[in-house]
Amino acid sequence: GENVEQHPSTLSVQEGDSAVIKCTYSDSASNYFPWYKQELGKRPQLIIDIRSNVGEKKDQRIAVTLNKTAKHFSLHITETQPEDSAVYFCAASETSYDKVIFGPGTSLSVIP
Amino acid sequence: NAGVMQNPRHLVRRRGQEARLRCSPMKGHSHVYWYRQLPEEGLKFMVYLQKENIIDESGMPKERFSAEFPKEGPSILRIQQVVRGDSAAYFCASSSGEKGYTFGSGTRLTVV
Repeated sequence: GENVEQHPSTLSVQEGDSAVIKCTYSDSASNYFPWYKQELGKRPQLIIDIRSNVGEKKDQRIAVTLNKTAKHFSLHITETQPEDSAVYFCAASETSYDKVIFGPGTSLSVIP
Repeated sequence: NAGVMQNPRHLVRRRGQEARLRCSPMKGHSHVYWYRQLPEEGLKFMVYLQKENIIDESGMPKERFSAEFPKEGPSILRIQQVVRGDSAAYFCASSSGEKGYTFGSGTRLTVV
């Protein structure tokens, strides 16, 4: 089955700096890669997703890149703000309606 | 749109009792997924259901756990004869199939 790895497990950046989280997956059949943000005690929320026919996608300060050959995908957050502090999960699935397998999470702290 | 509704938000059960967790998907969503999250850990897939059908239950423990999504009413995750190790947050998510999951607020189960 699919296995998703994620690093770093914790990340601390100064406000205004960039943050990068990297993930790898094992199942070459995976074609859908969502990213979720979970604040303490709250539900995970979808922040961006990318499909295998696209190499990069941007939404304001957030961008994701995908290298399907290497089975790598990354989340980039620019101009970080304190409200970006949360746990971020990468995930992979065959399609957007199949079961999604999550990485172990990255705890991001943005220091004012 | 009320989003994905889960109840109860908090549930306390004594060892050996049954826990019943409910999830009503977003309007128009026919796919329901259950995940378990232990404190400071990631989201572990349990089961994927559509109306009256279990599509994938590969993450469900073989004993004591069951799930259903009847034609009418919410999806139910049932845990029989709970043990302390069942204490966790249980998140339900729904999807229309076109976009990633929308999660509910979760049910925090505590077994005493």
